[in-house]
Amino acid sequence: GAGVSQSPRYKVTKRGQDVALRCDPISGHVSLYWYRQALGQGPEFLTYFNYEAQQDKSGLPNDRFSAERPEGSISTLTIQRTEQRDSAMYRCASSLAGTSTDTQYFGPGTRLTVL
Amino acid sequence: AQSVSQHNHHVILSEAASLELGCNYSYGGTVNLFWYVQYPGQHLQLLLKYFSGDPLVKGIKGFEAEFIKSKFSFNLRKPSVQWSDTAEYFCAVNAGTNAGKSTFGDGTTLTVKP
Repeated sequence: GAGVSQSPRYKVTKRGQDVALRCDPISGHVSLYWYRQALGQGPEFLTYFNYEAQQDKSGLPNDRFSAERPEGSISTLTIQRTEQRDSAMYRCASSLAGTSTDTQYFGPGTRLTVL
Repeated sequence: AQSVSQHNHHVILSEAASLELGCNYSYGGTVNLFWYVQYPGQHLQLLLKYFSGDPLVKGIKGFEAEFIKSKFSFNLRKPSVQWSDTAEYFCAVNAGTNAGKSTFGDGTTLTVKP
């Protein structure tokens, strides 16, 4: 079946602009996760959802970052007033049951560049 | 807070050589441990995971990892690597009480020379 998809795959924006990154999880997956990955580093947890409920947003770096999953399926990560330090790969993953032993299935990522 | 350390940033091996990639974590409680792999041009995907039982776990493509609780380690091994194993490998941990929050290491890039 279809895997996790993310759009856009690449986004170039100017400092100060808002961006919205989209994640479409595997159909039927309960949990959805957002990570940020800087060059040369591993994915860094941002937030995750079970269904439409945001369970943990402790990884969001500041209040310019927000995420939603209003119908328990597609999720949007929004970054307001982007800054150059926001440039990174943003990865989304989903898992079937949301337990700690679940396998997370990753999408291709969105490469964000802030000029 | 949990953290993960991968000792080798870049490993270069010839085909048929044996592989061991180190992973140490810091967390005092129950943990679940994962190795993910990203082949060139592909998504991150699960290689293997440990959450209970036999501390030696086997994954896809001949990989295995051993959980040594006393050493807080979960090293990845393969007896004989192939050129197709060239990829970036990430170790990850999540605490049993926080299902969604996985912490990843910074990754090890493996290059296998034919």
